[in-house]
Amino acid sequence: EVQLLESGGGLVQPGGSLRLSCAASGFTFSSYAMSWVRQAPGEGLEWVSSISGSDGSTYYADSVKGRFTISRDNSKNTMNVQMNSLRAEDTAVYYCAKDGLSGGSTNARYFDLWGRGTLVTVSS
Amino acid sequence: DIVMTQSPDSLAVSLGERATINCKSSQSILYSSSNKNYLVWYQQKPGQPPKLLISWASTRESGVPDRFSGSGSGTDFTLTISSLQAEDVAVYYCQQFYSTPRTFGQGTKVEIK
Repeated sequence: EVQLLESGGGLVQPGGSLRLSCAASGFTFSSYAMSWVRQAPGEGLEWVSSISGSDGSTYYADSVKGRFTISRDNSKNTMNVQMNSLRAEDTAVYYCAKDGLSGGSTNARYFDLWGRGTLVTVSS
Repeated sequence: DIVMTQSPDSLAVSLGERATINCKSSQSILYSSSNKNYLVWYQQKPGQPPKLLISWASTRESGVPDRFSGSGSGTDFTLTISSLQAEDVAVYYCQQFYSTPRTFGQGTKVEIK
């Protein structure tokens, strides 16, 4: 079955760290860029970060640049994001998402497969 | 950054009637060499992740009912639901992939009148 499964969310204090993971199955993981997209409670969608499938090029939103680090392990079909120096405004459901197009050392274009999301709450 | 602005923020439509959602980009997202518009539409139902409905502004994804259609070019785009069904109640988002950062519209909530 084609699916994405996120894990690692939870409650963390401001300034703290958290690592999210995404496990992929049912498709050739290394052929696709992968991304994190977040949604604050009651708000819209915000692209956070992407990593290309082939050469591991990374891309970040300005709001997380320097604090978040995205990575992937194609041998394990997993993607991660290390989130440091967390702020209250990082509180959101974080979705793992697959690029709708295959190939290339490029940023993800659009997202044709989404996980169910994992909630990150930054609060004291 | 390319700003995506949707209108209206919400709309209520009777069952079987047409729903029209607009999306405007702050700059053209038509790639001249391919003559393709780098825009997609998603549907998000309560408690669910988004679902891709339409890519390249007008290409319906596999399994998406044909009452959903996308149109437009350059900076102005439209998602149309030709005959609203109860299961279409959701928030709809447009997203551009012409440049990084990828940006979404703020969403349009569709309800039944």
